[in-house]
Amino acid sequence: AQSVTQLGSHVSVSEGALVLLRCNYSSSVPPYLFWYVQYPNQGLQLLLKYTSAATLVKGINGFEAEFKKSETSFHLTKPSAHMSDAAEYFCAVSAYTGGFKTIFGAGTRLFVKA
Amino acid sequence: KAGVTQTPRYLIKTRGQQVTLSCSPISGHRSVSWYQQTPGQGLQFLFEYFSETQRNKGNFPGRFSGRQFSNSRSEMNVSTLELGDSALYLCASSQTTGGSYEQYFGPGTRLTVT
Repeated sequence: AQSVTQLGSHVSVSEGALVLLRCNYSSSVPPYLFWYVQYPNQGLQLLLKYTSAATLVKGINGFEAEFKKSETSFHLTKPSAHMSDAAEYFCAVSAYTGGFKTIFGAGTRLFVKA
Repeated sequence: KAGVTQTPRYLIKTRGQQVTLSCSPISGHRSVSWYQQTPGQGLQFLFEYFSETQRNKGNFPGRFSGRQFSNSRSEMNVSTLELGDSALYLCASSQTTGGSYEQYFGPGTRLTVT
């Protein structure tokens, strides 16, 4: 079974400040981990993914995430927030058990203040 | 390559009716998954199809069903609609290559049940 916990339903940062969105997961089999971003009235866009290669994963738009197995975490960071980063972010875990199943976290809405 | 397409984009139905949503995956992708997104429950996995076979299923009542055709296009059907079925329904197509797994999402179908 899989589960995902995103800490903080809302995060507010100033433009230029560090963005840190937290995600903890559990999975009974080796997982694939993802971060997605969703803008209003749109689908999900993949930011980055972890698939058992490098533990530090770089994604689009300057985002990166570090897989820490001992802490079962996959936190998303960006050194300097931009106004255009304001959106909802979802952490997800996929696992193969005869077929793929993806579980999403509840989402974190990021606000960026000028 | 063209992305995942979903039709229709918006739909209004009345309680008790049924509805069919369509998803065309990225060319060459054989797996399609469906998700329901609501403000209260977030993103929930409905089912996954691969080569016309349902491989995995979420915890939804039997009113929710799906199928996949030989060209990988997929449909999901909801019968006897309830107000709580109002949601954004997202389809994702995926491929697994070299041990890597990635899903690509469509823009979604916004279903409103009145």
